[in-house]
Amino acid sequence: SAVISQKPSRDICQRGTSLTIQCQVDSQVTMMFWYRQQPGQSLTLIATANQGSEATYESGFVIDKFPISRPNLTFSTLTVSNMSPEDSSIYLCSVLPGLEQFFGPGTRLTVL
Amino acid sequence: GENVEQHPSTLSVQEGDSAVIKCTYSDSASNYFPWYKQELGKRPQLIIDIRSNVGEKKDQRIAVTLNKTAKHFSLHITETQPEDSAVYFCAASKGGADGLTFGKGTHLIIQP
Repeated sequence: SAVISQKPSRDICQRGTSLTIQCQVDSQVTMMFWYRQQPGQSLTLIATANQGSEATYESGFVIDKFPISRPNLTFSTLTVSNMSPEDSSIYLCSVLPGLEQFFGPGTRLTVL
Repeated sequence: GENVEQHPSTLSVQEGDSAVIKCTYSDSASNYFPWYKQELGKRPQLIIDIRSNVGEKKDQRIAVTLNKTAKHFSLHITETQPEDSAVYFCAASKGGADGLTFGKGTHLIIQP
C-alpha cells in the first residue's frame, strides 16, 4: 500500500477564486489520479497525472478548469480554477503503487 | 467509455444474514474489478478485488464473483456485522494506466 496525505483537508472559498490541492505520497509511484466526489454521490475520475508528461483529462473535465502538476514521483497538485458553487465536492487523489489503487483522505471544498 | 451500473442503491439486512451487491459493466476490455467500502466522512477503502482471469475470490466473510461473458460481478458479505454498515462502491478499469469507473454505490444498513 501507500501512505497518502492531502492538503488542505477542507476549505471554504468564494466564487471566482482558485484553490490548489496538494497530494503527497510516501513512496515513488508512476500513476496518480484525481477524482471528484460530489455530495452524496459516487467518485468520478477527473484526470490521470503521470510524471514528466501532461495530465490526461476525462470527458467533461478541461485543463483550464483543473490544471494539474506532477513535478516528481511523490507529489501532485490539482487546482480548481474560477470556482462556482457547483465545484463544491470532495477531491481525492489516488495512487497505483502496484496492482491496487489507494485513495488519499480527500479535500472537502465548499464554494460560496 | 466504460459504464458501471450498481444495484441496489440501498440494502438493509438483519445482522448475521448475507448481503449481495451486483454490478454490470459495458466495456469488454475491462479486466480489473475492485470493491471499495466508504464510511461516512472517510476515504474509500479497498476491501477486495478480482481480475478477469479469475471467476471468484474470497477473503474471510467477503467474496467477489465475476462473469465475464455476462459482464457482471457481485460482492457477497456473509455473517454481516454492524461494522459492515457503509456505502460500497464497485468499479472497473482496463488496468495498467487506466483510472477507475465507479458504480453509484450501495448504502448497506445492518439491522441489529
